[in-house]
Amino acid sequence: AQKITQTQPGMFVQEKEAVTLDCTYDTSDPSYGLFWYKQPSSGEMIFLIYQGSYDQQNATEGRYSLNFQKARKSANLVISASQLGDSAMYFCAMRGVSGNTGKLIFGQGTTLQVKP
Amino acid sequence: DTGVSQDPRHKITKRGQNVTFRCDPISEHNRLYWYRQTLGQGPEFLTYFQNEAQLEKSRLLSDRFSAERPKGSFSTLEIQRTEQGDSAMYLCASSLIAENTEAFFGQGTRLTVV
Repeated sequence: AQKITQTQPGMFVQEKEAVTLDCTYDTSDPSYGLFWYKQPSSGEMIFLIYQGSYDQQNATEGRYSLNFQKARKSANLVISASQLGDSAMYFCAMRGVSGNTGKLIFGQGTTLQVKP
Repeated sequence: DTGVSQDPRHKITKRGQNVTFRCDPISEHNRLYWYRQTLGQGPEFLTYFQNEAQLEKSRLLSDRFSAERPKGSFSTLEIQRTEQGDSAMYLCASSLIAENTEAFFGQGTRLTVV
């Protein structure tokens, strides 16, 4: 069975500083993808970044980077230069290849608050 | 195309009533997913379609729930005889089939059963 664990229910960060949101996963699939989504109070899930299990380099998208440590089964999201608009719920998710359904398994989420 | 849209955004219903939600995916996306999200939790997978075929249903999807995607375009999720435990945000997402592509989510339908 696949599982995503996010152990930080809430995080605070000062504006303009960097913050790391933790994510560990468990899967028996040899190939899988890891995703991070942002969910503001409006409710919509916004895709941030993707990391494939066979990707050699850590993914980056603007201010977002993914610290992927395959042996440790962790996929932490790093947000650099935090902005007030980054305050939201953040979800780590995994998609396995077996069954080829494309469904995502989500963690419990981390609430990030950026302080001015 | 403006993305995935869901209707209604909010629904309040009395226990025992039936409700139906609609999702319009991104037009070129083959796959369509329904998720349920309760307060403070991550979304949980309910069911998914590839084109018009419903290929997987979660154990969370009791027999009071039914989903359709006629002609492989929009989808509907119906809940019959609603219960208070059905109160949640219902999220729809769509994606291409490729493994490394993200799913795009709608803004969700928040259901409150009173």
